[in-house]
Amino acid sequence: EDQVTQSPEALRLQEGESSSLNCSYTVSGLRGLFWYRQDPGKGPEFLFTLYSAGEEKEKERLKATLTKKESFLHITAPKPEDSATYLCAALYNFNKFYFGSGTKLNVKP
Amino acid sequence: DGGITQSPKYLFRKEGQNVTLSCEQNLNHDAMYWYRQDPGQGLRLIYYSQIVNDFQKGDIAEGYSVSREKKESFPLTVTSAQKNPTAFYLCASSIAGGPGTEAFFGQGTRLTVV
Repeated sequence: EDQVTQSPEALRLQEGESSSLNCSYTVSGLRGLFWYRQDPGKGPEFLFTLYSAGEEKEKERLKATLTKKESFLHITAPKPEDSATYLCAALYNFNKFYFGSGTKLNVKP
Repeated sequence: DGGITQSPKYLFRKEGQNVTLSCEQNLNHDAMYWYRQDPGQGLRLIYYSQIVNDFQKGDIAEGYSVSREKKESFPLTVTSAQKNPTAFYLCASSIAGGPGTEAFFGQGTRLTVV
């Protein structure tokens, strides 16, 4: 069965301490890999789409990369306002998005 | 502004009642989705629709029903058959197929059974 696995479940960083979040996905039939940010009590906010292995996208302190089996969300010199839950989702056939359970990031000043 | 509007933001339901959650989009998207989110869990797909008057069950459709009479609207009914309906419900929409297929979400409805 198609599925998406994210790690770690939670991550605590000091402000300025760079790190990476991982998203592993089932390989066959992937049409796109998506990253979202979700703040408490809000809907997920779209960050990036990646379509093929080797692709990279950047936005401020965030960079998303895609390999044949996984995607990484790299956070460079994070700030407290980057604290949120980061979700990844894989799109397969029939327009079905499969979401991971997320990584809850807490950046301490 | 284009976007997805969910209402109400908070909803309380008595046991045995049916309730309907509203989702409207003005993005001209063909595909619409309903997800359920429980604390500490990812989003689970309830129903999705790729075109008007057509919809498919997701992974946890039991106890829920939907309709898609208009492109802009995809209401979700939580029936009394849903044994554990207390959750955060998210509606999303996307272009059906091709580049730019990312899904955009509404701000959610928090349903509580009282």
